[in-house]
Amino acid sequence: SAVISQKPSRDICQRGTSLTIQCQVDSQVTMMFWYRQQPGQSLTLIATANQGSEATYESGFVIDKFPISRPNLTFSTLTVSNMSPEDSSIYLCSAGGSGLGSGNTIYFGEGSWLTVV
Amino acid sequence: RKEVEQDPGPFNVPEGATVAFNCTYSNSASQSFFWYRQDCRKEPKLLMSVYSSGNEDGRFTAQLNRASQYISLLIRDSKLSDSATYLCVVSSSGNTPLVFGKGTRLSVIA
Repeated sequence: SAVISQKPSRDICQRGTSLTIQCQVDSQVTMMFWYRQQPGQSLTLIATANQGSEATYESGFVIDKFPISRPNLTFSTLTVSNMSPEDSSIYLCSAGGSGLGSGNTIYFGEGSWLTVV
Repeated sequence: RKEVEQDPGPFNVPEGATVAFNCTYSNSASQSFFWYRQDCRKEPKLLMSVYSSGNEDGRFTAQLNRASQYISLLIRDSKLSDSATYLCVVSSSGNTPLVFGKGTRLSVIA
């Protein structure tokens, strides 16, 4: 398994501001993903963070709102831009693929709990 | 139709009971199947992968029926510590992200 560190672990943010979440994996991984889990809901994929190229966004998520960086095989960031209360959620970084050994299994960071006021 | 659908729950069972969760998936090209466990205000953690032949890990047994596109998880001799939300998860290939069901909440009571 992998150790995935996310920070901040939680934050309270003002409406209209932006926050960048960092994700560090303790081994080189091919795949990194960003998920969102709103209260009482399941995990929704925001985007796949590709090393050396633009992130691939899912329907309903756009780069201007959720810019992502993936500068190397162990690190990624997600920015939540121009936040509104609807962005209050847990944001989860995950990693999988080669480097973690076991097929399609992915592992999660502990999540970043954002509250927008 | 949602990609992954689960029993809505919640399941409230006494200690020692056997409980089963069901899950169906819509994408017939799905290749990988998992059960994750998520405790309250925590990240999901892998409980077990699900193989075509079925697999068992202690008190937990997972089954896959590809023809019916159906996955199950059986928990025997429930413990208080089994209380959590159980997420059914599928993926179509090694390089595609996982798709999560909404989860089934289990509460084991003394």
